Amino acid sequence: SAVISQKPSRDICQRGTSLTIQCQVDSQVTMMFWYRQQPGQSLTLIATANQGSEATYESGFVIDKFPISRPNLTFSTLTVSNMSPEDSSIYLCSVETGRRGNTIYFGEGSWLTVV
Amino acid sequence: AQTVTQSQPEMSVQEAETVTLSCTYDTSESDYYLFWYKQPPSRQMILVIRQEAYKQQNATENRFSVNFQKAAKSFSLKISDSQLGDAAMYFCAYRSGRGGSEKLVFGKGTKLTVNP
Repeated sequence: SAVISQKPSRDICQRGTSLTIQCQVDSQVTMMFWYRQQPGQSLTLIATANQGSEATYESGFVIDKFPISRPNLTFSTLTVSNMSPEDSSIYLCSVETGRRGNTIYFGEGSWLTVV
Repeated sequence: AQTVTQSQPEMSVQEAETVTLSCTYDTSESDYYLFWYKQPPSRQMILVIRQEAYKQQNATENRFSVNFQKAAKSFSLKISDSQLGDAAMYFCAYRSGRGGSEKLVFGKGTKLTVNP
């Protein structure tokens, strides 16, 4: 398994501001995924981040709102831009380890509340 | 597109008893992986168990086991000797066997309460 650290773990943000979430993995991984979990809901994939290339976004998510960086094989950031109360969610970083089809592990999540 | 359905929004079980959580999925693929994740109040997603679709044998991890019925596209989770620490949201998830950038597709979750 992989140890995945996310920062911040929790934050209260003002409407209209932006916040960057960091995800650090203790080993090199090819694929990193960013998920959003709105209150009382299941997880929805925001984007897939591959080192050395632009992130691939799911339908309904755009780069201007959720810019992602992936500078190396152990680190990624997700920025939530121009936040509104609807962005209040848990944001989870996850990685795939091992060969094809192997397990996806999650970080502790970043719980953002926008006021 | 693949879908995952968890038909039980909430379940409860007495401590030390056994409970089964249901999950069905829809796919046209033959190669895929299925997972159960647990999300306690701490909000971290914790892997409970995984199953490769090409394996007929049901996966087991200590008190957790699955009943994988590929033809019926069913993947239930059985928790034996339930403990208070098992109380959490449980999510069933599907992943295509194509691997790589393939995402997890989650069900809506089942909230499990363990009564002392």
